[in-house]
Amino acid sequence: KQEVTQIPAALSVPEGENLVLNCSFTDSAIYNLQWFRQDPGKGLTSLLLIQSSQREQTSGRLNASLDKSSGRSTLYIAASQPGDSATYLCAVRGGATNKLIFGTGTLLAVQP
Amino acid sequence: DVKVTQSSRYLVKRTGEKVFLECVQDMDHENMFWYRQDPGLGLRLIYFSYDVKMKEKGDIPEGYSVSREKKERFSLILESASTNQTSMYLCASSWGQRYNSPLHFGNGTRLTVT
Repeated sequence: KQEVTQIPAALSVPEGENLVLNCSFTDSAIYNLQWFRQDPGKGLTSLLLIQSSQREQTSGRLNASLDKSSGRSTLYIAASQPGDSATYLCAVRGGATNKLIFGTGTLLAVQP
Repeated sequence: DVKVTQSSRYLVKRTGEKVFLECVQDMDHENMFWYRQDPGLGLRLIYFSYDVKMKEKGDIPEGYSVSREKKERFSLILESASTNQTSMYLCASSWGQRYNSPLHFGNGTRLTVT
């Protein structure tokens, strides 16, 4: 059974710092991995989708990497801003069920 | 941009009531999903649909049913609401045959059952 873990559960950094969020998964037979952002009381906003054949994807200040063999993905945020404060979730699709399995998220606070 | 619209942001219902949560997407997506999100448990899949009139159970379907009469609309039904169904409900959609397409979410419905 696919399990997705995100560590740490919460992170606080000063504005301007570069930071890395971690996501690990137990079954490497995945189609893709997707990173989302969720603001309090809101739905999820898709940030980046990495296909199983890709190593990384970039969008603006965000860079997501994927290492299937080790079951790990990282989301790199450059020059963090207070507006980046949110919960970040990763989700993997694939394995036996082809369903999207979510991690429990990392709550990020960027202090001005 | 893909738009997934959930009809209510907040809903308060009484135990035993029949509750309908509506979701509409405007991108002609084949796939639609209903999740619930609870603190410490993350997002859990309730039901999903790959096509009109098709439905499949997710991980926690007990106490729920769904309806997909039109491609753009996916309804979640709580046949007899109970307090343990108090939660944030999230609808999502994606392209059908393209397993590698991203999931797009609505803004969620916060349901409280008293």
